[in-house]
Amino acid sequence: GAVVSQHPSWVICKSGTSVKIECRSLDFQATTMFWYRQFPKQSLMLMATSNEGSKATYEQGVEKDKFLINHASLTLSTLTVTSAHPEDSSFYICSAPHGRTNTEAFFGQGTRLTVV
Amino acid sequence: GESVGLHLPTLSVQEGDNSIINCAYSNSASDYFIWYKQESGKGPQFIIDIRSNMDKRQGQRVTVLLNKTVKHLSLQIAATQPGDSAVYFCAENIGDYGQNFVFGPGTRLSVLP
Repeated sequence: GAVVSQHPSWVICKSGTSVKIECRSLDFQATTMFWYRQFPKQSLMLMATSNEGSKATYEQGVEKDKFLINHASLTLSTLTVTSAHPEDSSFYICSAPHGRTNTEAFFGQGTRLTVV
Repeated sequence: GESVGLHLPTLSVQEGDNSIINCAYSNSASDYFIWYKQESGKGPQFIIDIRSNMDKRQGQRVTVLLNKTVKHLSLQIAATQPGDSAVYFCAENIGDYGQNFVFGPGTRLSVLP
C-alpha cells in the first residue's frame, strides 16, 4: 500500500527555537497533504491543508505564522513550529490522500514534539 | 458545528470474543467513513472504509456497519486478539475529492487474556 514517511519521529527542543517536521509520500505523488495535531488521550485535530504550489489552508484558530507549512514538491510537505513554547508540545501527524478516488488517507508515523 | 463522536470511550473484551466499537456522526451529508486503528505512539492505520451507498462492508476479521437513519457507524472485530489492543477512531469525510476527515474522540480497546 501507499506509504507516508514522517521525520523525525520525536524531537526535544528548547523554548524559542524552531522545529521542522517533514512528511513524504514515498511511492505516490500528493498534491495535498494534511497536518494534524493530537494531544494526549484526545483525537486528531486538523491544523492545516498543505497544497503543492500554493499557500496552505489553515483551520480556524491555528496560527499561520507559528505553524509554517511548505509543500515544496509533489512528495514533500514540511511543518515548521516557530518560536516553540511548552504548550506546543504535542503529537503531530501528517496524511496524504491516495487510492483510486483519492479519498483514502494514509498517515505518517507521527512526530512527538517536546518543548522544554 | 458538525462533529463525529463515540458512545464508549473504553472497551475491554476477552481474547477470542467479538468486539463492537460504536460511533455517532452528526453530518448527514457525509458520504464516506473510515475506521482507523492507532497504537500507542504511532500514527493512525487504515482499517476499513464504507461509503454511504452501503450499509455493511466486510474485511479480514472486521466488519463496518452504517446506519444512515440514525447516523451511526460501528466496527466489529471478530475473535479479538491481543494485537487488536489500540485506540480506534472513526473518521467522517466532509469534503470533496481528496479532502480531510473529521475524527471522533476515539475508543480504547483492551483485550484481556
